[in-house]
Amino acid sequence: SQELEQSPQSLIVQEGKNLTINCTSSKTLYGLYWYKQKYGEGLIFLMMLQKGGEEKSHEKITAKLDEKKQQSSLHITASQPSHAGIYLCGADPNSGNTPLVFGKGTRLSVIA
Amino acid sequence: GAVVSQHPSWVICKSGTSVKIECRSLDFQATTMFWYRQFPKQSLMLMATSNEGSKATYEQGVEKDKFLINHASLTLSTLTVTSAHPEDSSFYICSASGQNYGYTFGSGTRLTVV
Repeated sequence: SQELEQSPQSLIVQEGKNLTINCTSSKTLYGLYWYKQKYGEGLIFLMMLQKGGEEKSHEKITAKLDEKKQQSSLHITASQPSHAGIYLCGADPNSGNTPLVFGKGTRLSVIA
Repeated sequence: GAVVSQHPSWVICKSGTSVKIECRSLDFQATTMFWYRQFPKQSLMLMATSNEGSKATYEQGVEKDKFLINHASLTLSTLTVTSAHPEDSSFYICSASGQNYGYTFGSGTRLTVV
């Protein structure tokens, strides 16, 4: 079965600093999803990557999928307190109606 | 965009009672719905997958008689926690998937069993 490993598990950064979260898959990814979650709330969709080498950006968040489609990184530029939360990567192991497999998440805190 | 409504957002119930959680896709047909459970500071654990009109497929270790899942229409799936006990207290979240729609998550339900 597919497994996702996220690193780091937790991260504390000063406001304004850049940061990167990594997600490594045990198998080739069909699709890789990034979500943000506030504790006790639902998941907010950030980005979805499918093609090897693909890179997408939204506001100050950029996500990349490597050429081999086994690793993805999420980069936040000039972090703000609003970026704080839990970031989860989810793998689509197939395509179609199979459940996403999630990493354990990275807890981000941004301090002023 | 695709929206999934989940309610209640939180519920407190007495031990031994049953609780029903609803998950509705508001603007698309969800051919498949997934139910997850999340414990504090942990990731989402898949409980079951349900396809409209079919019996749900449960993950190993999830009691199908305790966690009843119904997916009778393309827009509604329900999870009923039967004879709830304190160890069932958790955050439950659904995800809906349909043709041309990826994975859209509900806002989750926090269940506390006292």
